[in-house]
Amino acid sequence: DQQVKQNSPSLSVQEGRISILNCDYTNSMFDYFLWYKKYPAEGPTFLISISSIKDKNEDGRFTVFLNKSAKHLSLHIVPSQPGDSAVYFCAASNSGNTPLVFGKGTRLSVIA
Amino acid sequence: GAVVSQHPSRVICKSGTSVKIECRSLDFQATTMFWYRQFPKQSLMLMATSNEGSKATYEQGVEKDKFLINHASLTLSTLTVTSAHPEDSSFYICSASLPGGAYNEQFFGPGTRLTVL
Repeated sequence: DQQVKQNSPSLSVQEGRISILNCDYTNSMFDYFLWYKKYPAEGPTFLISISSIKDKNEDGRFTVFLNKSAKHLSLHIVPSQPGDSAVYFCAASNSGNTPLVFGKGTRLSVIA
Repeated sequence: GAVVSQHPSRVICKSGTSVKIECRSLDFQATTMFWYRQFPKQSLMLMATSNEGSKATYEQGVEKDKFLINHASLTLSTLTVTSAHPEDSSFYICSASLPGGAYNEQFFGPGTRLTVL
C-alpha cells in the first residue's frame, strides 16, 4: 500500500516553460512534505518543503503547493531549465517522529 | 550545509561474500542515520533506522541477519550485506538527521552501487 504516490513516471517540458510535478498521499497523519531532486548514481538532494499549516511555499524558481483536503501537493518549476532534468521525489512524514515515506519519483526532462 | 559521505561509491563482489558500506556525517554528529535501497525506476525504500549506541530498527521484510547495521559513533554507521546474492544488487543510500532535528531533516549520502555477480 503506497502512502505517497507520484502517478507520472516521467514528464517532458520545454526550456522556459513551467514544470508541474504532482504527488498524492493517503495518510492523513502526514504533516510535513518535502521534494528531493536526484541525479543518476547520486543521493537525493533537498529542494523544498512545506508544513501542513501552509498551502504554499516558494523558493526562487520552485514553489510547492499543498491541498490538504485533496491530499495533494505539487511542485512548480518556472522557468524550467535543462539543468532541472532529474528525478524528483516527493516525501512525507508525521511530525518528525517517523522516517520519510517516498514516492516512486517523476523523471523530468527539460528540452532546450 | 550538512554533508554525508558514503564509501565505497561502487562495489562489485562475488556471490556469497560480504560487503561493508560506510556512511559518515562529515561536519555534524548524527544520532540517527537511515539506510535506504533503490531498485531501478523504483522509490527509495527505507531498510532500517540506526540510532547511535543501540540496535537498529528494521522495516518489515528486511532481514536483520542479512543486513547488519552498526552505528558505533555519532559520525559513522555501517551496513554489511552478508552472504550477498545477485538479488541484493541495488543502489544503497544512507541519510542522517541533525541532532535534535526532526526525522524529516535528513541529509543524504551519494549512494553506493552494489553489484553481486
